[in-house]
Amino acid sequence: DAGVIQSPRHEVTEMGQEVTLRCKPISGHDYLFWYRQTMMRGLELLIYFNNNVPIDDSGMPEDRFSAKMPNASFSTLKIQPSEPRDSAVYFCASSLWYRAQETQYFGPGTRLLVL
Amino acid sequence: AQTVTQSQPEMSVQEAETVTLSCTYDTSESDYYLFWYKQPPSRQMILVIRQEAYKQQNATENRFSVNFQKAAKSFSLKISDSQLGDAAMYFCAYRTSGTYKYIFGTGTRLKVLA
Repeated sequence: DAGVIQSPRHEVTEMGQEVTLRCKPISGHDYLFWYRQTMMRGLELLIYFNNNVPIDDSGMPEDRFSAKMPNASFSTLKIQPSEPRDSAVYFCASSLWYRAQETQYFGPGTRLLVL
Repeated sequence: AQTVTQSQPEMSVQEAETVTLSCTYDTSESDYYLFWYKQPPSRQMILVIRQEAYKQQNATENRFSVNFQKAAKSFSLKISDSQLGDAAMYFCAYRTSGTYKYIFGTGTRLKVLA
């Protein structure tokens, strides 16, 4: 398996622009997570999905952030409009719930820089 | 609300020696899971070891083992025979059973000295 795939790996944009981050989970996994990592706040869970349905979005910082999972193999995290304080590494992770050894598998992350 | 605390921002260990990374957590739940993740310079998060709170036996994975003290809410990671490839950020994480809301600590940077 190719693992969790994220794109782009790096994104540089200007304040006010729309940013879309993409994630392809591991095939067969039914949970998908979006995290944000910064020096100041560490690794924060933004939102997670189960079977394409958002379960908990309490970590989404504000209305500028939105996430979708239109099908089991694709999810997006969108920031509109972007701000410099959104600069961070964004991770996507997936997992399979019923396995006794359930664990999250993380993607390589997208490093976002908003100028 | 649950919290995870890693009080050691940075640790160093000599190659082949043993090092212990500390983690404490706060929760009112009785059924939960604890994890240690490794993040090398590549930024990829890699699961090192997991522990179910209902299990009294400490989890072990090769050179990695934990000391799980449920009453003290402590979950430390011991790395034996440290190798240069162990150098990374290590994150302690918590998840309440029945939810998938993971809470991560702030991390400990481990340096391995040759």
